[in-house]
Amino acid sequence: DAKTTQPPSMDCAEGRAANLPCNHSTISGNEYVYWYRQIHSQGPQYIIHGLKNNETNEMASLIITEDRKSSTLILPHATLRDTAVYYCIVRAQFFGNEKLTFGTGTRLTIIP
Amino acid sequence: SQTIHQWPATLVQPVGSPLSLECTVEGTSNPNLYWYRQAAGRGLQLLFYSVGIGQISSEVPQNLSASRPQDRQFILSSKKLLLSDSGFYLCAWSRGYNQPQHFGDGTRLSIL
Repeated sequence: DAKTTQPPSMDCAEGRAANLPCNHSTISGNEYVYWYRQIHSQGPQYIIHGLKNNETNEMASLIITEDRKSSTLILPHATLRDTAVYYCIVRAQFFGNEKLTFGTGTRLTIIP
Repeated sequence: SQTIHQWPATLVQPVGSPLSLECTVEGTSNPNLYWYRQAAGRGLQLLFYSVGIGQISSEVPQNLSASRPQDRQFILSSKKLLLSDSGFYLCAWSRGYNQPQHFGDGTRLSIL
């Protein structure tokens, strides 16, 4: 699976959009971009994933650049409960590749 | 909707004692099931995964074993715990090998 690079920490004001970047310049054609987050002392929570088209669900939007070398997770209206470590993962999807590998992630702090 | 339950939330065990951690999933059938360990500063490590009753794949050789006695039940066991078995144990489920994994709230295991 391709390696990802994320900033170690970010702050965002409550109510504003939080934009979390991720670089994955070595991504290959069959690799998806996944985002998870982990609030302290809890299990990771799946947020969203995509291949090359932008995706949106009830939690967030995922914007993937045309060359797929980077992506941005957008939390449209951040709340204090969005304070967590956010992990960007690139994962090839084929039978037997079940492992999720988290990097160091971005620690997002929502400021009241 | 689907839910995943893990218990206990925390556990303190002496070295050499046995271990049994249980995970159950509700609201879906024939899920893929996973056991991960998250050690401080080391990220996620996939320990076992299962695509069906009695089918267990081990990712790393270790002091632990897993069993799936029922469709939505996954058990992590050890006959004799080591100090190095301390960590945060996470159970997860997915609909299949191309699907996102959803995690439980984990068990924090301390070995004394």
